[in-house]
Amino acid sequence: KNQVEQSPQSLIILEGKNCTLQCNYTVSPFSNLRWYKQDTGRGPVSLTIMTFSENTKSNGRYTATLDADTKQSSLHITASQLSDSASYICVVSPMFSGGYNKLIFGAGTRLAVHP
Amino acid sequence: DGGITQSPKYLFRKEGQNVTLSCEQNLNHDAMYWYRQDPGQGLRLIYYSQIVNDFQKGDIAEGYSVSREKKESFPLTVTSAQKNPTAFYLCASTTASGNTIYFGEGSWLTVV
Repeated sequence: KNQVEQSPQSLIILEGKNCTLQCNYTVSPFSNLRWYKQDTGRGPVSLTIMTFSENTKSNGRYTATLDADTKQSSLHITASQLSDSASYICVVSPMFSGGYNKLIFGAGTRLAVHP
Repeated sequence: DGGITQSPKYLFRKEGQNVTLSCEQNLNHDAMYWYRQDPGQGLRLIYYSQIVNDFQKGDIAEGYSVSREKKESFPLTVTSAQKNPTAFYLCASTTASGNTIYFGEGSWLTVV
């Protein structure tokens, strides 16, 4: 069964510190892996998207890495800000998904940045 | 500005009632989707539509219905057959290639 598992489930850090969120997946083959940020009660917003052949992708203070051999991805947040408090969701898109975009979502990591 | 608009933001349903969540997009996207989000779980696909007048069941379609009479609109009806409808509902749309996915702001549905 295709799965996407994220860790930790929740994380608290102090403002200005760095953190790394993990995503392990069993989806294979896959076409791309995405990271989304979701504020409470809002829709997810795309941070990065990587194809299976890419190793890293940055978006400001957010850097995603991908190791297709170990089926692991990470999202590194540098110099955290209070506004980074949100859930971060890892999403994998299987290859050959039958003509539509069948996404597999992780449960997310809830990040709280404290002053 | 282009985007996806969901309404209402908050909705309360009484037992035995059907309610409809609206989703409109002006991105000229072909495909539209409805997801359900519960605490501690990933988004789960309810229904999706790739073209007008056609839609397919997702992983948790029981108790829900949709229509796609216009490219811009994909309303979701939560019927009385859905026994546990309290959740956060997200509408999304993509281009034909599926490379870019846009989400609406979501709708909270609570059973009272």
